[in-house]
Amino acid sequence: QKEVEQNSGPLSVPEGAIASLNCTYSDRVSQSFFWYRQYSGKSPELIMSIYSNGDKEDGRFTAQLNKASQYVSLLIRDSQPSDSATYLCAVNIGYGQNFVFGPGTRLSVLP
Amino acid sequence: ETGVTQTPRHLVMGMTNKKSLKCEQHLGHNAMYWYKQSAKKPLELMFVYNFKEQTENNSVPSRFSPECPNSSHLFLHLHTLQPEDSALYLCASSQDFSGANVLTFGAGSRLTVL
Repeated sequence: QKEVEQNSGPLSVPEGAIASLNCTYSDRVSQSFFWYRQYSGKSPELIMSIYSNGDKEDGRFTAQLNKASQYVSLLIRDSQPSDSATYLCAVNIGYGQNFVFGPGTRLSVLP
Repeated sequence: ETGVTQTPRHLVMGMTNKKSLKCEQHLGHNAMYWYKQSAKKPLELMFVYNFKEQTENNSVPSRFSPECPNSSHLFLHLHTLQPEDSALYLCASSQDFSGANVLTFGAGSRLTVL
């Protein structure tokens, strides 16, 4: 059974710090990896997608993928209170397959 | 309008009612999805349509009935629901059924079953 695991949190970091969110997945053939942010009472919105090993940076966000370790992470630099949300990790193994979501990690950035 | 639009945003229904949730996407996508989000549980995929054809039904009870008349519209018909069906129902779309394509979600329909 395909699984995606995340620490449910809450993860609390002070404003301006780096928040590190982690995700592990069970299916070795997974090809596509996504991070979604979901504010309370809202729908998920895409933060980052990553398909190759290594780092991908977009503004204050960096996604890191290590397929050998079946691990994907999201770093948020200079965390802001507005980053407080639940972060969902999603994995897809390829065409015709469905996305598998993790349970999400709740991040709280303290002013 | 742009993106993925869901109506109604909030719905309260009794266990014997029949209601429908509607989803419309304005992105030119060919795949549409229904997800259920309950408290403290991962997003659960319910149904997938790719080019109007249903490709997935994740053992969803028959009291949930999807309909996809065209690539832009998706419905979820609800009948004889149970209180445990109370949840946020999210519609999403993607360009097609390629795993590399991003899901774009609607705002969701918050369902309460009394």
